[in-house]
Amino acid sequence: KNQVEQSPQSLIILEGKNCTLQCNYTVSPFSNLRWYKQDTGRGPVSLTIMTFSENTKSNGRYTATLDADTKQSSLHITASQLSDSASYICVVSALTRGSQGNLIFGKGTKLSVKP
Amino acid sequence: DSGVTQTPKHLITATGQRVTLRCSPRSGDLSVYWYQQSLDQGLQFLIQYYNGEERAKGNILERFSAQQFPDLHSELNLSSLELGDSALYFCASSVGVGPNSPLHFGNGTRLTVT
Repeated sequence: KNQVEQSPQSLIILEGKNCTLQCNYTVSPFSNLRWYKQDTGRGPVSLTIMTFSENTKSNGRYTATLDADTKQSSLHITASQLSDSASYICVVSALTRGSQGNLIFGKGTKLSVKP
Repeated sequence: DSGVTQTPKHLITATGQRVTLRCSPRSGDLSVYWYQQSLDQGLQFLIQYYNGEERAKGNILERFSAQQFPDLHSELNLSSLELGDSALYFCASSVGVGPNSPLHFGNGTRLTVT
């Protein structure tokens, strides 16, 4: 069964610090991996999208990495800000459509940035 | 602003009732997806439409149905509502249906069933 697991479930850090969120997946055949940011009560917003051949992609203070061999991805946030407080969702796209559609969502990591 | 519009933003109704959620996709997007997000849960895929035709179906209950109209807006109908149907319902749209199509989400409809 296609699955996406994220860790930690939640994380509290101080403003200005860095953090790394993890995503492990068992999705086949793999198409791409996406990270989304979801503010409370809002829709997810895309941060990065990476295909099989890409192992790093940045979007401002957000840097995502992908290791297709170990089926792991990480999202690194640099110099965190209060506005980074949100849920970060890892989404893996499969080439074939199953009962979950093409996109398999992780449950997210809830990040709280404290002053 | 993603360009995806969902109405209403909030909906409170009683068990046994029927409601309709509406989604207008981003201009130019032909594909519409519906997702359910219960409290502290991940997004659960319900159904996908492309240019008016159903393309994929997830774990959507028989009490739920959806359609996409010729002007590409979509409606999700929820009937015989139960307390457990209380959730955020998100609509997303994309240009195509392929696995590489970027997805743009609306800000959801929060449904509360009392």
